[in-house]
Amino acid sequence: GAGVSQSPSNKVTEKGKDVELRCDPISGHTALYWYRQSLGQGLEFLIYFQGNSAPDKSGLPSDRFSAERTGGSVSTLTIQRTQQEDSAVYLCASSWTSVSNEQFFGPGTRLTVL
Amino acid sequence: GDSVTQMEGPVTLSEEAFLTINCTYTATGYPSLFWYVQYPGEGLQLLLKATKADDKGSNKGFEATYRKETTSFHLEKGSVQVSDSAVYFCALRAYTGANSKLTFGKGITLSVRP
Repeated sequence: GAGVSQSPSNKVTEKGKDVELRCDPISGHTALYWYRQSLGQGLEFLIYFQGNSAPDKSGLPSDRFSAERTGGSVSTLTIQRTQQEDSAVYLCASSWTSVSNEQFFGPGTRLTVL
Repeated sequence: GDSVTQMEGPVTLSEEAFLTINCTYTATGYPSLFWYVQYPGEGLQLLLKATKADDKGSNKGFEATYRKETTSFHLEKGSVQVSDSAVYFCALRAYTGANSKLTFGKGITLSVRP
């Protein structure tokens, strides 16, 4: 079956614009995670979904960041009023359940804020 | 909070050399431990894992043993190949009941020359 997919693969935007990043998890996976990979900070957790609810949003760096998940499947990460420090690779991962030991990662979206 | 510390990189080795990449962790309770690998141009992949003390994870000639007494999970390979050139991330998952997010080390780049 298909793996985790993300779109777009690359996004270049101007400072102050809003962006939406999409994640399609593996079919049937109930848990979905967003991470951010940046040069200075390494790989950081952003938010976790179990089904359509987000019990842990503790990694979102500011209120400019939000995410939703619909139908227990697709998730969208939205960054409002982008800043240059938002430039990073945004990774999505999914797993069968929240206690599953393996998270499967998508290829990521590289965001560049000019 | 939970944290993972990896040795500083990058690391450059000749083919067939012995590899050790150090990883130590701090966590409450008994986390599961992982090594993820990111090959050039590809997404993060699980390389190996261990879920309890003294477990040894192994895959593709790589091994790592979960050492509770030293809170370590060092990655080893007896004879590296050029195809092992990649970025390696040590990670832990400390399931709290509300989330099973991964906490990553900063990663280390391995280059293997012929």
